[in-house]
Amino acid sequence: GAGVSQSPRYKVAKRGQDVALRCDPISGHVSLFWYQQALGQGPEFLTYFQNEAQLDKSGLPSDRFFAERPEGSVSTLKIQRTQQEDSAVYLCASSSQPQGGTPSGANVLTFGAGSRLTVL
Amino acid sequence: ILNVEQSPQSLHVQEGDSTNFTCSFPSSNFYALHWYRWETAKSPEALFVMTLNGDEKKKGRISATLNTKEGYSYLYIKGSQPEDSATYLCAFGGNTPLVFGKGTRLSVIA
Repeated sequence: GAGVSQSPRYKVAKRGQDVALRCDPISGHVSLFWYQQALGQGPEFLTYFQNEAQLDKSGLPSDRFFAERPEGSVSTLKIQRTQQEDSAVYLCASSSQPQGGTPSGANVLTFGAGSRLTVL
Repeated sequence: ILNVEQSPQSLHVQEGDSTNFTCSFPSSNFYALHWYRWETAKSPEALFVMTLNGDEKKKGRISATLNTKEGYSYLYIKGSQPEDSATYLCAFGGNTPLVFGKGTRLSVIA
């Protein structure tokens, strides 16, 4: 597609409910990132995929968070047994270049509009 | 822990005013400094990527400078317009995924 598409745009969940957030990156983009932006904070890194391989999941805050990208395109971020502190905007971004190696710091990310999760 | 600081957190300016804000970042393991503009209900949009000390970039009324030795970047907006109202994020590009600051929220009052 022309841009990065995320769905749903807004999700309200009751505490304890499971949620799934979808990201459809730009076609052909190798790298896919998930970021979490809590209120008053900057986006914080959650996890990174290069094609279908999850190369870095160091930012996932707990084992309730799980991400996958099984065919190297669409990715899903799943949060199990949601808690109030999970309320945030979840941003997905993609890049045509792989992460890692000297040039990667200059790779421009194309972001989706985010999924705003509110846990009651 | 890698720290990227932005100031001010927010500011309000009158239409036509010029303004600037700051991003400070670690000077070690530096590859690039990114600026993004994030308007409400839209996607963050890349403004600039700067890699060399002394870099200056310009896009219309917006420009940015980079000092990698002292670890700061300035973003300037000349003659602010209401459509410039947004959160401006800077991000440090090293050998890890981008690390973002908390952003500067700009409101331009007509």
